[in-house]
Amino acid sequence: EIVLTQSPATLSLSPGERATLSCRASQSVSSYLAWYQQKPGQAPRLLIYEASNRATGIPARFSGSGSGTDFTLTISSLEPEDFAVYYCRQRSNWPYSFGQGTKLEIK
Amino acid sequence: EVQVVESGGGLVRPGGSLRLSCAASGFTFSTSWMSWVRQAPGRGLEWVANIKQDGSEKNYVDAVKGRFTISRDNAKSSLFLQMSSLRDEDTAIYYCARGGGSLDYWGQGTLVTVSS
Repeated sequence: EIVLTQSPATLSLSPGERATLSCRASQSVSSYLAWYQQKPGQAPRLLIYEASNRATGIPARFSGSGSGTDFTLTISSLEPEDFAVYYCRQRSNWPYSFGQGTKLEIK
Repeated sequence: EVQVVESGGGLVRPGGSLRLSCAASGFTFSTSWMSWVRQAPGRGLEWVANIKQDGSEKNYVDAVKGRFTISRDNAKSSLFLQMSSLRDEDTAIYYCARGGGSLDYWGQGTLVTVSS
């Protein structure tokens, strides 16, 4: 079973700053990694798929990079609506799995 | 507009059963893998099961294998999750999502509470 470890657990930043979130896999997942955003009381929203492709309607300030075991989600300039929990997810091997999440909070 | 709407959640006693449903619209259901993902209160996300377009392939996480059954009715654009031998640790919001790997559209979820 592939374990995804996200860091940091909590990230405190101000609007306008750059956010860098990390996801590390216990074994290679190739590029089969996605990023989701979840706000309180809402379902997760797909941001990035196959490591670096933005989903439909996702603003250009969101970008993903990496392959193999190390991945990064970057938000270039934080907007107030970006403060949420972010999850990475792999679909390389069943059981597909999610990371434990990074909470992005307002500083 | 793509929509998936879950129903069927509720309070059930340990050892009991429940059947969740998901009604899909706005896309060709019969050509899409579908999945169930759950989230325990205050916790992260856990993939429960997925099912191929024609129902010929199904995958389950070990925690539910032998207790849960995923199925679909393509004629009615509907996805189901039959849950039996429910345990306290199955308490969660259950989300229906389009896709077998890339989950691009999610419902708002239905809450299942297992408690005596």
